[in-house]
Order: sequence, then structure tokens, then C-alpha cells
Amino acid sequence: TQLLEQSPQFLSIQEGENLTVYCNSSSVFSSLQWYRQEPGEGPVLLVTVVTGGEVKKLKRLTFQFGDARKDSSLHITAAQPGDTGLYLCAGANQFYFGTGTSLTVIP
Amino acid sequence: NAGVTQTPKFQVLKTGQSMTLQCAQDMNHEYMSWYRQDPGMGLRLIHYSVGAGITDQGEVPNGYNVSRSTTEDFPLRLLSAAPSQTSVYFCASSILQGYGYTFGSGTRLTVV
Repeated sequence: TQLLEQSPQFLSIQEGENLTVYCNSSSVFSSLQWYRQEPGEGPVLLVTVVTGGEVKKLKRLTFQFGDARKDSSLHITAAQPGDTGLYLCAGANQFYFGTGTSLTVIP
Repeated sequence: NAGVTQTPKFQVLKTGQSMTLQCAQDMNHEYMSWYRQDPGMGLRLIHYSVGAGITDQGEVPNGYNVSRSTTEDFPLRLLSAAPSQTSVYFCASSILQGYGYTFGSGTRLTVV
């Protein structure tokens, strides 16, 4: 059972473009985490969102937790090649992870 | 600080062999867990521990054993390896359950 659905699965964009990736569930989560994973490495925590409607910013990355705490989005402004990686969302005390969005930013 | 250290980084096993994947953290984290990552399946929780002496099953525990005798170490044992256990294994730790994790760099296991 995949509780967390991420979309799109793959995304390839040019440097400087904006993008949004999504994490959706039919379940309510008390908190949700976003991670970025580079090839050959473990995931690295980017942010934890806790409150419905919460928006957190990390430089060019903006994270939003849905009002009903069932979904979240990650928006990247002016993407750079260093943003390339697999973006994962996790919920339910990180018992469940989404399958990820693989982002490639082309110079 | 080293963070979360996993050994070995790569391993090839024959079907039926046993082995232990090591995980150690030096951050005095209470919560530790093991995941496997397979293409198209994301990270799936195998076992987790909320503190020394306490372990519990995750989503895919069959074929794996764990123990937590110290706060620092959380080894994962494969008793009789099967080709279905070919995967990349990640250990992670957190100060408490529900807080963000620190992950190790993974062990890539192939069972032939």
C-alpha cells in the first residue's frame, strides 16, 4: 500500500525555470518531511511541516502543507543544476515514504 | 561528528548465506531505523527502534532481524539471503520519533 503519491515521477528542466512537485495522500499526517537524495547517497532532510496551511521557505525552495494535512508541495524558483536529485516526501513519523520525484536541471 | 556510519558499502551474497549490516551513530539519537530502497518502490521501513532494548517491525520485516543493545548501534541481520533481498539498505537515526532523520550513505546488497 502506497500511502504517499508523488508527482511528477520525473522532471527535466532548464536552468532558471521554476517548478512544483507534489506529495498527496488520502491519509491525514501529523507532520510531513521533505528530503533530497543524490545518487549514491542517503536522503538529506530539507524541512518538516507540521501545521495545516504552513509555508516554509529555504532559500529558493518553498514548502507548503495542505490545510487538511493530506498533501504538500515543493516549489523551486530559478532552478540550478545543484538542485538535481530525487525529492522524497515522508509522513506518519517517516513510517512511509513517497516514491519520489527525480529532478534534472540542465545547465 | 561522523553522523550515521554504515558498513559495508557494497556486498555480494549467495542465496542462503547470512550476514549483518552494521549501523552506528554518534549523535546520541534514541530513534533508529532500517529502510530498503528499490526502483519504483521508494523507501520502505524494515525495522525500527525507539531506544536501547526496544525494537519493532516496519512495513517489510520478513527475512530480517534486528537488536538494539546500545544507543549507538543498530545492526540488521539477514538470516538466509534471497534474491528478493537485493536492494540498497539505509540506516537512519533521529533524536526522537517524528523528528527528521539523519541517513547513512547506504549498503548496496546483491544476492545471487
